[in-house]
Amino acid sequence: SQTIHQWPATLVQPVGSPLSLECTVEGTSNPNLYWYRQAAGRGLQLLFYSVGIGQISSEVPQNLSASRPQDRQFILSSKKLLLSDSGFYLCAWSHRGGNGQPQHFGDGTRLSIL
Amino acid sequence: AQSVTQLGSHVSVSEGALVLLRCNYSSSVPPYLFWYVQYPNQGLQLLLKYTSAATLVKGINGFEAEFKKSETSFHLTKPSAHMSDAAEYFCAVQRGATNKLIFGTGTLLAVQP
Repeated sequence: SQTIHQWPATLVQPVGSPLSLECTVEGTSNPNLYWYRQAAGRGLQLLFYSVGIGQISSEVPQNLSASRPQDRQFILSSKKLLLSDSGFYLCAWSHRGGNGQPQHFGDGTRLSIL
Repeated sequence: AQSVTQLGSHVSVSEGALVLLRCNYSSSVPPYLFWYVQYPNQGLQLLLKYTSAATLVKGINGFEAEFKKSETSFHLTKPSAHMSDAAEYFCAVQRGATNKLIFGTGTLLAVQP
């Protein structure tokens, strides 16, 4: 069966510091990968998605970037964190194809910026 | 453009009562629709999905949803609420070959003893 892992579960960082959040998927190949942010009291905002190694699409302009160095690894980064980067970050994967394949989510990373 | 609207950001029911969470969609093509549940400080868990095979879809934990094209709705129901159903519920419509999801703003369900 497929599993998705995100780490760390919680992170407290000062403003201006760098960020690296990692997500890995096991038990499948060539997945689509996604990063979401969920701010307090708000819905889910898609930040990035990837359909293959090195292929990253950004949904919104922001202070963050994403990379996919391996087929089942997805990394969310920032060079300098802003207060507005606080939130709950979720990674998800799906099988390829546009035929109703659901997304499957990790347990998330709670990021607090001080 | 595809979108979903969830009516009611907060819904409160008594334990044992009917749960009804509303979702209306907008789509120019036959949609793929999903319901997810999120417990505090956790990721989203898939409850059920509609992919045009049957209009009444049964999911996990006793939930089901009915696709009504004439009403552009995909409401989530459960006959009898349990305390463990207290969570936030998200409706979503899928967009494009990349399987991107457009989420509603969520409905927080409270279950009173």
